[in-house]
Amino acid sequence: EDQVTQSPEALRLQEGESSSLNCSYTVSGLRGLFWYRQDPGKGPEFLFTLYSAGEEKEKERLKATLTKKESFLHITAPKPEDSATYLCAVQAVGSDKLIFGTGTRLQVFP
Amino acid sequence: NAGVTQTPKFRILKIGQSMTLQCAQDMNHNYMYWYRQDPGMGLKLIYYSVGAGITDKGEVPNGYNVSRSTTEDFPLRLELAAPSQTSVYFCASRKTGDTEAFFGQGTRLTVV
Repeated sequence: EDQVTQSPEALRLQEGESSSLNCSYTVSGLRGLFWYRQDPGKGPEFLFTLYSAGEEKEKERLKATLTKKESFLHITAPKPEDSATYLCAVQAVGSDKLIFGTGTRLQVFP
Repeated sequence: NAGVTQTPKFRILKIGQSMTLQCAQDMNHNYMYWYRQDPGMGLKLIYYSVGAGITDKGEVPNGYNVSRSTTEDFPLRLELAAPSQTSVYFCASRKTGDTEAFFGQGTRLTVV
């Protein structure tokens, strides 16, 4: 069964304090791994897609990386506006389903 | 483009009542999804559709039904509401061959 586990559940950072969020996955064959950002009371918003081990994607202060078992979302010098829940999802080869993890709730304090 | 539109935004149901959550997209996307999100939890897939007339079960389909008569609309039906169905429901759509899914703003449902 396809499974996604995210850690930590919650993370509090001081503004400028870099850190990483983890997404471990188990799929029969990975078609794609996705990162989304979700603000309170809103629907998730797409950030990145990663397809194969070794791939990296960047957007402003965020960088996503992928290995054969996990993905990391690195946040460099975060700002308070980066506070949100970050969700990881996977799609298996031959499947149309997007399976999500439980998310990491990030709070960045000034 | 409005994107993905969900109605209503909020609803309170009594146990045993029925209702339909509406989802419409104007991007001509073939793929549409229904998720529920419980407090502190991730998104659980209820049902999905790969095109008009085609639907399939997700991770937690019990107590729900869907139909997809047009490309634009993907309503979710709750027949006999139960307190366990109290949740926030999100609809999403995706274009064939694309990886980005677009989500609606959600429907917050409370069953009392």
